[in-house]
Amino acid sequence: EVQVLESGGGLVQPGGSLRLSCAASGFTFNIYGMSWVRQAPGKGLEWVSGISDSGASTYYADSVKGRFTISRDNSKNTLYLQMNSLRAEDTALYYCAKAGNAYYFDYWGQGTLVTVSS
Amino acid sequence: DIQMTQSPSSLSASVGDRVTITCRASQGISNYLAWYQQKPGKVPKLLIYAASTLQSGVPSRFSGSESGTDFTLTISSLQPEDVATYYCQKYNSAPPWTFGQGTKVEIK
Repeated sequence: EVQVLESGGGLVQPGGSLRLSCAASGFTFNIYGMSWVRQAPGKGLEWVSGISDSGASTYYADSVKGRFTISRDNSKNTLYLQMNSLRAEDTALYYCAKAGNAYYFDYWGQGTLVTVSS
Repeated sequence: DIQMTQSPSSLSASVGDRVTITCRASQGISNYLAWYQQKPGKVPKLLIYAASTLQSGVPSRFSGSESGTDFTLTISSLQPEDVATYYCQKYNSAPPWTFGQGTKVEIK
């Protein structure tokens, strides 16, 4: 059974940093792209960042470019999102999502909540 | 960047009604379009990818179609368990892989 489980969310002050993790199981992790998608309270889905199967290629939404860094450790079946210079508008539920054979998302985690507030 | 415009933003229909949701891309994206269902308080679920391919396990009352840059999600006979917000997403080769604004479907 495919599972992706996020962790690392929490309350952080504006300007602070946080690192999210996503532990994957039930599929061959190193042959699929992965992404982070967020959802602010009461709002729609926003794609944040993506990474290729090998980790060689990374992609970012303009709203987080230069502040967030996506990475993966295929030996640990784990995806990461390093978030720096956090802003109030980054407050959201952050989902880890497995890509299918292209960058649509066939499995999603339950999400980890990030709250940026003083 | 390619924009995805989804309509309507909300709709109310009766059980058994045929429901149609539209997503328009500002430029061509071939058939790189997916549809998701998000029930209240739940995780998004993939319904359709490649514009019209039904994800395994999704009921056959859901279908997708494309006409140029216009994409349509159809629920042939609305059921109470279909109450949800539906999102389109484009995933052609160039990111960002943008989602539409969402369509909230309710039962009348």
